[in-house]
Order: sequence, then C-alpha cells, then structure tokens
Amino acid sequence: AQTVTQSQPEMSVQEAETVTLSCTYDTSESDYYLFWYKQPPSRQMILVIRQEAYKQQNATENRFSVNFQKAAKSFSLKISDSQLGDAAMYFCASTGANSKLTFGKGITLSVRP
Amino acid sequence: KAGVTQTPRYLIKTRGQQVTLSCSPISGHRSVSWYQQTPGQGLQFLFEYFSETQRNKGNFPGRFSGRQFSNSRSEMNVSTLELGDSALYLCASSLALAGKNIQYFGAGTRLSVL
Repeated sequence: AQTVTQSQPEMSVQEAETVTLSCTYDTSESDYYLFWYKQPPSRQMILVIRQEAYKQQNATENRFSVNFQKAAKSFSLKISDSQLGDAAMYFCASTGANSKLTFGKGITLSVRP
Repeated sequence: KAGVTQTPRYLIKTRGQQVTLSCSPISGHRSVSWYQQTPGQGLQFLFEYFSETQRNKGNFPGRFSGRQFSNSRSEMNVSTLELGDSALYLCASSLALAGKNIQYFGAGTRLSVL
C-alpha cells in the first residue's frame, strides 16, 4: 500500500518569489513514480512534474523543480518566480506496480500580487 | 490532439436514482482510470480499465461499476445514489497501464445528489 502526506493545507507566496510545497510518502514498492499535479479553479488536473524513483537526479520543468530525498521519503516541489497563474490546489501523488495513483490531501497555494 | 473529454460536466440526481458518466480518452490511449474527489476524502481511486478489462479496483461498494468499449471510451455507473455520492468524478487516460505511464485528466463531472 502507498500513502502520501501533505501536512500543510494552505500556503501563500508573493509574486516573483519562490515557494516550496512539502510532501512525504510511504511505499513498500521498489519501483514507483512520484508526481505533482496542479488543479486550478477550472478543476482540470494538470501534470506539473514527474519523478522516477530509480533516478537520483531531481526532475525539473521550467520554473518547477523537485527535491527528491529517497531515504527520507520526501518529495517537495519548488516553484520559482511565482506567477499569479500558479495559484491553485497542488496534489502530490505516487504510483507503483499496482498502477493506481495515490494522492495526498492537497495544498492550496495563493499568490499575492 | 484532443484531450480527455468527460460528459456531462454537471449532473443533478436524487437519492435512489442511477447515473452514467462518460469518458473519451486521448486518441491512442488504451487505459482509463476513474477517481472520486470530495472535500472530506480527497481524491480516491475507483477503477482502471485497459483493453476492455478492469485491471484494478479501489475500495468502493458494488454500486459503482464501469466498463470500457473497444474504442477505449469508458463509462462509469453508480446505482442507487446516496447523498454521499455527491462529488467530482475525474477520468484519466494513459497510453498503457497507468503507473509508469503519465495519466492525463479530464475536466470532471460534478455530480450532485439531492
């Protein structure tokens, strides 16, 4: 079984600043994948970034990057140069051989102009 | 390429009725997964279909069922609706079995049970 924990329900960041969203997970699988999804008010879930657990190098996608600490089972998302359009709910998720995505509770990010 | 399409976007039903939700995956995608999203329980996996077969199932009662057609389109059915079934139902498609493959989500169907 997999569990994903996002302990912070809300965060706020000033436009153009950097913010880090935390996530921890637990899994008994050796081959697994980690994701961050963004859900804006339109409700469409959008993939932000994906990390293969077997890769030591942290994934990056433009202004988005992760800090993947495998031993600590930590997978945080860093958003650089925050923009108003980054305001949304962010979900951390994991999946393993059984295929289903297990999501955290999500964190609401607001961006102050 | 068109994204994942879910219909209808909104539904209002009364307790005891049944409902069918539809999901058309991205062209070429063969796996469709369904999720329920509620404020209290968050996002929970319902089931996954691949090549017209249910490959994985979440912890939901038998009132929740689904199927997949030969063109990969999928339907989800909920019978004997309860108030607690009010939720956003999300469908996601992937090229092959989900897990290693990225899942792309539709905009969801908002179901309200009165």
